[in-house]
Amino acid sequence: DQQVKQNSPSLSVQEGRISILNCDYTNSMFDYFLWYKKYPAEGPTFLISISSIKDKNEDGRFTVFLNKSAKHLSLHIVPSQPGDSAVYFCAARANNAGNMLTFGGGTRLMVKP
Amino acid sequence: DAGVIQSPRHEVTEMGQEVTLRCKPISGHNSLFWYRQTMMRGLELLIYFNNNVPIDDSGMPEDRFSAKMPNASFSTLKIQPSEPRDSAVYFCASTEFRDTQYFGPGTRLTVL
Repeated sequence: DQQVKQNSPSLSVQEGRISILNCDYTNSMFDYFLWYKKYPAEGPTFLISISSIKDKNEDGRFTVFLNKSAKHLSLHIVPSQPGDSAVYFCAARANNAGNMLTFGGGTRLMVKP
Repeated sequence: DAGVIQSPRHEVTEMGQEVTLRCKPISGHNSLFWYRQTMMRGLELLIYFNNNVPIDDSGMPEDRFSAKMPNASFSTLKIQPSEPRDSAVYFCASTEFRDTQYFGPGTRLTVL
């Protein structure tokens, strides 16, 4: 039972345009959400996070939106750059699960010059 | 800080052999996690330790897998005997309390 799902395995975007990566979850105990970025042959690196008490968090070109009623979050990258090409993982933490994170399957983003 | 250190970076072994993966967490971090990444299952948590004590090992696939954390600066993940379906990238991550998890570069394991 996948509690965190990223339904798009890949996404291709033109440089300068907006990239939107989506993530759905099922566990209503999740109260903290994170996005990680992963380049080939490297470990995932933290990108941006959002608490369930907020519906938006912005950091430079990256914005995460949270829709709790729909159990959906999205990562917007504007403008997209070729260096953003990577696999993006959505992750969630439950308020009763200590430090554990549950990850989605990842979405491979390709930004074309 | 050097970040999370994993060794080896690549391991190729034959079916039936014992494999030991090693991890050194970031100094001062009190939680350590072992993950496995495969095409089919994405990034799945195998086990995690808090203050060197295993807290949740429900993700460990079967008895062939075992993990230890003898002290705050070292952990091992052992597979004995290894099988071709164990081929994957294994990541170690560490965190301080409920802060962000920091990942190591991973060990790519190939079991022939």
